[in-house]
Amino acid sequence: QVHLQESGPGLVKPSQTLSLTCSVSGGSISADNYYWNWIRQYAGRGLEWIGSSSNRGDTYYNPSLKSRITISVDTSKNQYFLKMTSVTAADTAVYYCARGWGAHDPVQNWGQGTLVTVS
Amino acid sequence: DIVMTQSPDSLSVSLGERATINCKSSKSIFYDSNNKNYLAWYQQKPGQPPKLLIFWASARDSGVPDRFSGSGSGTDFTLTINSLQAEDVAVYYCQQYSDFPLTFGAGTKVEIK
Repeated sequence: QVHLQESGPGLVKPSQTLSLTCSVSGGSISADNYYWNWIRQYAGRGLEWIGSSSNRGDTYYNPSLKSRITISVDTSKNQYFLKMTSVTAADTAVYYCARGWGAHDPVQNWGQGTLVTVS
Repeated sequence: DIVMTQSPDSLSVSLGERATINCKSSKSIFYDSNNKNYLAWYQQKPGQPPKLLIFWASARDSGVPDRFSGSGSGTDFTLTINSLQAEDVAVYYCQQYSDFPLTFGAGTKVEIK
Protein backbone atom coordinates (compact mmCIF):
# COMPACT_ATOMS: atom_id res chain seq x y z
CA GLN A 1 0.00 0.00 0.00
CA VAL A 2 1.66 3.21 -1.14
CA HIS A 3 1.96 6.03 1.39
CA LEU A 4 2.64 9.67 0.58
CA GLN A 5 3.85 12.26 3.07
CA GLU A 6 4.23 15.98 2.47
CA SER A 7 6.89 18.03 4.23
CA GLY A 8 8.02 21.62 4.14
CA PRO A 9 7.72 24.94 5.94
CA GLY A 10 4.34 25.80 7.32
CA LEU A 11 4.95 29.53 7.05
CA VAL A 12 6.35 31.39 4.07
CA LYS A 13 6.77 35.13 3.66
CA PRO A 14 5.13 36.94 0.76
CA SER A 15 7.25 37.12 -2.41
CA GLN A 16 9.39 34.18 -1.26
CA THR A 17 9.57 30.67 -2.70
CA LEU A 18 7.55 27.77 -1.33
CA SER A 19 9.27 24.40 -1.48
CA LEU A 20 7.48 21.17 -0.60
CA THR A 21 8.62 17.56 -0.66
CA CYS A 22 6.50 14.45 -1.05
CA SER A 23 8.10 11.28 0.28
CA VAL A 24 6.73 8.07 -1.17
CA SER A 25 6.89 4.75 0.68
CA GLY A 26 5.41 1.33 0.04
CA GLY A 27 6.13 1.60 -3.67
CA SER A 28 8.77 2.84 -6.04
CA ILE A 29 8.28 6.20 -7.70
CA SER A 30 10.10 4.68 -10.68
CA ALA A 31 7.58 1.92 -11.14
CA ASP A 32 4.92 1.84 -13.76
CA ASN A 33 3.36 4.87 -15.37
CA TYR A 34 1.93 6.72 -12.42
CA TYR A 35 1.64 10.47 -12.33
CA TRP A 36 2.65 12.36 -9.24
CA ASN A 37 0.36 15.29 -8.49
CA TRP A 38 0.23 18.37 -6.31
CA ILE A 39 -3.25 19.58 -5.37
CA ARG A 40 -4.19 22.33 -2.93
CA GLN A 41 -7.31 23.10 -0.95
CA TYR A 42 -8.44 26.48 0.31
CA ALA A 43 -10.15 26.87 3.68
CA GLY A 44 -11.63 23.37 3.83
CA ARG A 45 -13.23 23.41 0.37
CA GLY A 46 -12.07 24.52 -3.09
CA LEU A 47 -9.71 21.91 -4.53
CA GLU A 48 -7.23 23.17 -7.14
CA TRP A 49 -4.98 20.91 -9.20
CA ILE A 50 -1.50 22.45 -9.36
CA GLY A 51 0.26 20.03 -11.67
CA SER A 52 1.75 16.58 -12.12
CA SER A 53 4.85 14.77 -13.27
CA SER A 54 5.70 11.28 -14.43
CA ASN A 55 8.81 9.52 -13.17
CA ARG A 56 10.38 10.35 -16.53
CA GLY A 57 9.87 14.07 -15.93
CA ASP A 58 6.89 14.61 -18.23
CA THR A 59 5.11 17.48 -16.54
CA TYR A 60 1.72 19.13 -16.79
CA TYR A 61 0.96 22.38 -15.02
CA ASN A 62 -2.15 24.38 -14.30
CA PRO A 63 -1.88 27.33 -16.70
CA SER A 64 -2.96 29.69 -13.92
CA LEU A 65 0.19 28.78 -11.99
CA LYS A 66 2.55 27.67 -14.74
CA SER A 67 4.82 30.71 -14.62
CA ARG A 68 5.49 30.18 -10.90
CA ILE A 69 5.74 26.43 -10.40
CA THR A 70 8.13 23.59 -11.00
CA ILE A 71 7.44 19.93 -10.20
CA SER A 72 10.37 17.56 -10.21
CA VAL A 73 11.03 13.94 -9.30
CA ASP A 74 14.04 12.35 -7.64
CA THR A 75 13.76 8.61 -8.23
CA SER A 76 16.87 7.88 -6.17
CA LYS A 77 15.22 9.34 -3.08
CA ASN A 78 11.68 8.18 -3.94
CA GLN A 79 10.56 11.77 -3.57
CA TYR A 80 9.04 14.48 -5.67
CA PHE A 81 8.91 18.20 -5.18
CA LEU A 82 6.93 21.37 -5.68
CA LYS A 83 8.55 24.75 -6.00
CA MET A 84 6.34 27.84 -6.19
CA THR A 85 7.87 31.27 -6.55
CA SER A 86 6.58 34.73 -5.65
CA VAL A 87 3.94 33.50 -3.21
CA THR A 88 1.17 35.73 -1.90
CA ALA A 89 -1.53 35.33 0.72
CA ALA A 90 -3.70 33.78 -2.01
CA ASP A 91 -1.38 30.75 -1.97
CA THR A 92 -2.32 29.95 1.64
CA ALA A 93 -3.84 26.46 1.52
CA VAL A 94 -3.45 22.83 2.47
CA TYR A 95 -1.12 21.24 -0.08
CA TYR A 96 -1.57 17.57 -0.95
CA CYS A 97 0.68 15.27 -2.85
CA ALA A 98 -1.26 12.54 -4.59
CA ARG A 99 -0.70 9.70 -7.02
CA GLY A 100 -2.74 9.10 -10.14
CA TRP A 101 -2.68 6.12 -12.45
CA GLY A 102 -1.78 8.28 -15.40
CA ALA A 103 -1.88 11.82 -16.70
CA HIS A 104 -5.59 11.55 -17.53
CA ASP A 105 -6.67 9.39 -14.65
CA PRO A 106 -8.22 9.96 -11.24
CA VAL A 107 -6.11 10.48 -8.15
CA GLN A 108 -6.22 7.37 -6.03
CA ASN A 109 -3.66 7.86 -3.27
CA TRP A 110 -3.34 11.07 -1.27
CA GLY A 111 -1.00 12.32 1.41
CA GLN A 112 -2.46 13.76 4.59
CA GLY A 113 -1.74 17.30 3.43
CA THR A 114 0.33 20.11 4.87
CA LEU A 115 -0.93 23.59 5.68
CA VAL A 116 1.11 26.39 4.17
CA THR A 117 0.42 29.92 5.34
CA VAL A 118 1.81 32.88 3.47
CA SER A 119 2.25 35.77 5.88
CA ASP B 1 -10.81 25.21 -18.34
CA ILE B 2 -13.68 22.79 -17.87
CA VAL B 3 -15.93 24.12 -15.12
CA MET B 4 -17.55 21.54 -12.86
CA THR B 5 -20.79 22.71 -11.24
CA GLN B 6 -22.18 20.72 -8.34
CA SER B 7 -25.61 20.91 -6.79
CA PRO B 8 -26.80 21.26 -4.16
CA ASP B 9 -24.17 22.96 -2.00
CA SER B 10 -25.41 20.99 0.99
CA LEU B 11 -27.88 18.24 1.68
CA SER B 12 -29.58 16.92 4.82
CA VAL B 13 -30.80 13.35 4.59
CA SER B 14 -32.29 11.01 7.18
CA LEU B 15 -30.41 7.85 8.09
CA GLY B 16 -31.37 5.07 5.72
CA GLU B 17 -32.63 7.46 3.04
CA ARG B 18 -31.11 8.28 -0.33
CA ALA B 19 -28.78 11.18 -1.07
CA THR B 20 -28.37 12.45 -4.63
CA ILE B 21 -25.63 14.82 -5.75
CA ASN B 22 -25.42 16.32 -9.21
CA CYS B 23 -22.41 17.44 -11.20
CA LYS B 24 -22.41 19.22 -14.54
CA SER B 25 -19.36 19.81 -16.71
CA SER B 26 -19.07 22.82 -19.02
CA LYS B 27 -18.12 20.54 -21.92
CA SER B 28 -18.55 16.88 -22.63
CA ILE B 29 -16.05 14.61 -20.91
CA PHE B 30 -17.12 11.52 -22.81
CA TYR B 31 -14.75 10.04 -25.36
CA ASP B 32 -16.08 7.87 -28.17
CA SER B 33 -12.60 6.38 -28.70
CA ASN B 34 -12.82 4.37 -25.48
CA ASN B 35 -16.49 4.87 -24.55
CA LYS B 36 -15.54 6.41 -21.23
CA ASN B 37 -16.56 9.43 -19.19
CA TYR B 38 -13.55 11.04 -17.51
CA LEU B 39 -15.36 11.75 -14.24
CA ALA B 40 -14.46 10.83 -10.67
CA TRP B 41 -16.17 11.31 -7.31
CA TYR B 42 -14.31 11.81 -4.04
CA GLN B 43 -15.41 11.79 -0.41
CA GLN B 44 -13.70 14.01 2.12
CA LYS B 45 -14.26 13.73 5.86
CA PRO B 46 -13.08 16.44 8.28
CA GLY B 47 -9.33 16.48 8.78
CA GLN B 48 -8.74 13.89 6.07
CA PRO B 49 -7.66 14.04 2.44
CA PRO B 50 -10.20 13.25 -0.26
CA LYS B 51 -10.82 9.58 -0.94
CA LEU B 52 -11.56 8.23 -4.40
CA LEU B 53 -15.02 6.64 -4.55
CA ILE B 54 -15.96 6.42 -8.21
CA PHE B 55 -14.02 6.68 -11.48
CA TRP B 56 -15.03 6.50 -15.15
CA ALA B 57 -18.32 7.97 -13.85
CA SER B 58 -19.66 4.67 -12.54
CA ALA B 59 -16.86 2.31 -11.46
CA ARG B 60 -16.45 1.93 -7.69
CA ASP B 61 -12.92 1.98 -6.32
CA SER B 62 -11.78 -1.05 -4.36
CA GLY B 63 -13.45 -1.31 -0.95
CA VAL B 64 -16.13 1.31 -1.61
CA PRO B 65 -19.53 0.10 -0.33
CA ASP B 66 -22.08 -0.69 -3.01
CA ARG B 67 -24.52 1.87 -1.57
CA PHE B 68 -22.41 4.41 -3.49
CA SER B 69 -23.16 4.54 -7.20
CA GLY B 70 -22.33 6.90 -10.03
CA SER B 71 -24.21 7.52 -13.24
CA GLY B 72 -24.46 9.91 -16.15
CA SER B 73 -22.65 10.67 -19.37
CA GLY B 74 -21.42 13.56 -21.44
CA THR B 75 -21.96 16.62 -19.24
CA ASP B 76 -24.39 15.47 -16.54
CA PHE B 77 -23.49 13.13 -13.73
CA THR B 78 -24.95 11.93 -10.44
CA LEU B 79 -23.59 10.38 -7.28
CA THR B 80 -26.19 8.42 -5.33
CA ILE B 81 -25.79 7.21 -1.79
CA ASN B 82 -28.44 4.63 -1.03
CA SER B 83 -29.43 4.04 2.58
CA LEU B 84 -27.30 6.83 4.07
CA GLN B 85 -25.16 5.79 7.02
CA ALA B 86 -23.74 8.02 9.76
CA GLU B 87 -20.22 7.45 8.43
CA ASP B 88 -21.23 8.95 5.07
CA VAL B 89 -21.30 12.46 6.53
CA ALA B 90 -18.70 14.23 4.42
CA VAL B 91 -18.14 16.63 1.56
CA TYR B 92 -18.33 15.06 -1.88
CA TYR B 93 -16.49 16.37 -4.93
CA CYS B 94 -16.68 15.56 -8.60
CA GLN B 95 -13.60 15.92 -10.79
CA GLN B 96 -12.96 15.79 -14.51
CA TYR B 97 -9.70 14.30 -15.71
CA SER B 98 -10.36 14.66 -19.41
CA ASP B 99 -8.58 17.96 -20.03
CA PHE B 100 -5.78 19.89 -18.37
CA PRO B 101 -6.07 21.55 -15.99
CA LEU B 102 -7.84 18.84 -14.04
CA THR B 103 -10.75 20.54 -12.28
CA PHE B 104 -13.01 19.83 -9.33
CA GLY B 105 -16.52 20.83 -8.39
CA ALA B 106 -17.00 23.06 -5.35
CA GLY B 107 -18.26 20.20 -3.22
CA THR B 108 -21.53 19.10 -1.67
CA LYS B 109 -21.79 18.71 2.09
CA VAL B 110 -23.93 15.78 3.20
CA GLU B 111 -25.34 15.85 6.71
CA ILE B 112 -27.77 13.77 8.72
CA LYS B 113 -31.26 15.22 9.13
